[in-house]
Amino acid sequence: DQQVKQNSPSLSVQEGRISILNCDYTNSMFDYFLWYKKYPAEGPTFLISISSIKDKNEDGRFTVFLNKSAKHLSLHIVPSQPGDSAVYFCAASAHQGAQKLVFGQGTRLTINP
Amino acid sequence: GAVVSQHPSRVICKSGTSVKIECRSLDFQATTMFWYRQFPKQSLMLMATSNEGSKATYEQGVEKDKFLINHASLTLSTLTVTSAHPEDSSFYICSGLPGLAGFEQYFGPGTRLTVT
Repeated sequence: DQQVKQNSPSLSVQEGRISILNCDYTNSMFDYFLWYKKYPAEGPTFLISISSIKDKNEDGRFTVFLNKSAKHLSLHIVPSQPGDSAVYFCAASAHQGAQKLVFGQGTRLTINP
Repeated sequence: GAVVSQHPSRVICKSGTSVKIECRSLDFQATTMFWYRQFPKQSLMLMATSNEGSKATYEQGVEKDKFLINHASLTLSTLTVTSAHPEDSSFYICSGLPGLAGFEQYFGPGTRLTVT
């Protein structure tokens, strides 16, 4: 039962363009969503988060959009840089869920020069 | 801020032996720490939630007698893989949660365990 899904295992984007990573969830109890970036053999690094009371949160080059009715969120990175190449995980949590995170499968983003 | 360390980063052990992995929050107090494992090209799977001073809460399907978790202080949690088998080979990652509220977990760099 995959409650958080990232249907694109990989994405390739040209440097300077916008990268859009997508994530869908099924559990309507989720009310907090996070994006993490991960390099091989390292732990995930927190990027940005959004509460279900918002539909957008922006931090520098990173913007997360949340569509609650569609149970969908996306991470926009603009402009994309070579250092953005990594695996991106979305994660979700329910306020009543003891702060546990449920992760998607990840999307490998490659930024081409 | 919010730095988490893990030790060791890599460990190779023989089948049947036990291995201890340490997770430390370096610049914050973590009342709650989490232990995950990740198989190649797969997601992070939560194994257990560790609360300081109390017993860990294990996810369904995780053997608590095999994966012993101790959260003795607000900055240290340990995971001991007992009687390790080759199928326990994996990448183990811990995370800490600063404070009692909030959801941003901060992750350690992970430990690669190989059981031969």
